[in-house]
Amino acid sequence: AQTVTQSQPEMSVQEAETVTLSCTYDTSESDYYLFWYKQPPSRQMILVIRQEAYKQQNATENRFSVNFQKAAKSFSLKISDSQLGDAAMYFCAYGIIQGAQKLVFGQGTRLTINP
Amino acid sequence: EPEVTQTPSHQVTQMGQEVILRCVPISNHLYFYWYRQILGQKVEFLVSFYNNEISEKSEIFDDQFSVERPDGSNFTLKIRSTKLEDSAMYFCASSEASAGAGGYTFGSGTRLTVV
Repeated sequence: AQTVTQSQPEMSVQEAETVTLSCTYDTSESDYYLFWYKQPPSRQMILVIRQEAYKQQNATENRFSVNFQKAAKSFSLKISDSQLGDAAMYFCAYGIIQGAQKLVFGQGTRLTINP
Repeated sequence: EPEVTQTPSHQVTQMGQEVILRCVPISNHLYFYWYRQILGQKVEFLVSFYNNEISEKSEIFDDQFSVERPDGSNFTLKIRSTKLEDSAMYFCASSEASAGAGGYTFGSGTRLTVV
């Protein structure tokens, strides 16, 4: 069974600094997707960034980028120029392509931004 | 931007009562899902639904749970006899195709409190 592990329950960063959130996963599949979701206090799930496993190039969305290491099964999220609005829970998720297309989530990392 | 709409946003029910959580997925999406998040924990897959039938369900999705797409727009989750441990945030999601290929969009959730 696929599993996703986020080893950092909490992280904090100074406003305008850069922070990296870690995620590792376990799978025997070769084709899959990886996601980072942001969950603010409202508890809505907001997609931050998505990576296709067959693409070697790391995905980037404005201040958010990933470091995808397929062999190591690692998928970290880098947030540059951190802003107060980035404070939230961040969940890493793995998307299975075949079958039900369900997502498997990690335990989450709570990110605090210090002004 | 298209949204997944969930109602109600918060529901309080007595233990043993039936509840129905409602969702309106994005109109051109083909796959529908329910996820659950117990407070402070990770998001867990419950069930996926495609072509008017369940395509996969988790161990959590026991005989107390059922899903239905009663018409062309709504997607419902029914819990027949609620237990205290059913208290959680329930998220509906829909996707156009496989989990990563198209938009995999979450609703804003229904907070279920069982007393």
